[in-house]
Amino acid sequence: GIQVEQSPPDLILQEGANSTLRCNFSDSVNNLQWFHQNPWGQLINLFYIPSGTKQNGRLSATTVATERYSLLYISSSQTTDSGVYFCAVKRTYKYIFGTGTRLKVLA
Amino acid sequence: DAGVIQSPRHEVTEMGQEVTLRCKPISGHNSLFWYRQTMMRGLELLIYFNNNVPIDDSGMPEDRFSAKMPNASFSTLKIQPSEPRDSAVYFCASSLGRGVSSYNEQFFGPGTRLTVL
Repeated sequence: GIQVEQSPPDLILQEGANSTLRCNFSDSVNNLQWFHQNPWGQLINLFYIPSGTKQNGRLSATTVATERYSLLYISSSQTTDSGVYFCAVKRTYKYIFGTGTRLKVLA
Repeated sequence: DAGVIQSPRHEVTEMGQEVTLRCKPISGHNSLFWYRQTMMRGLELLIYFNNNVPIDDSGMPEDRFSAKMPNASFSTLKIQPSEPRDSAVYFCASSLGRGVSSYNEQFFGPGTRLTVL
């Protein structure tokens, strides 16, 4: 099956810093989503991005499907950005989740 | 517009008891997914329904687990009998799919945190 690897596994930032999270996948996919799991456990949709670049406020994402990776950029990080960021890729109907990047933003 | 609704949000039960988790997908969505999240295994797909029909239940861990979707707005995941190793967060998600291959965005419910003592 498809392997989804995320890096780094853990990240600690000072408030205001920028960061880049990476998602590599081992085969072609139909779709890709980025999620943020907040400290209360909720999975929040960030981006639905099978290819190209999207931006939403301080967050943006780029997927290069032909090279099998996606990047999530967080600028001017805030303490509320803390949590786990998951990349999930889809072939047919099934999403395969990466193991996540655990982000902690310090005030 | 309401998102995916799950109940209960927390469930504590004793080993051997039956547990029923409930999910109401987003109105109009025709694909429904049950996931389990643990520290050891991360997020795992348990079962996928399309148009109320189970398409893939290969992730259901064993016969103690069963899932139903009697109509487009309701699904249940049942564990009978429950065991301590079933303790996890169970998520339901839905999406708007066209046919078996869904190309659309998946939305998650808040999850049910299950503790089996």
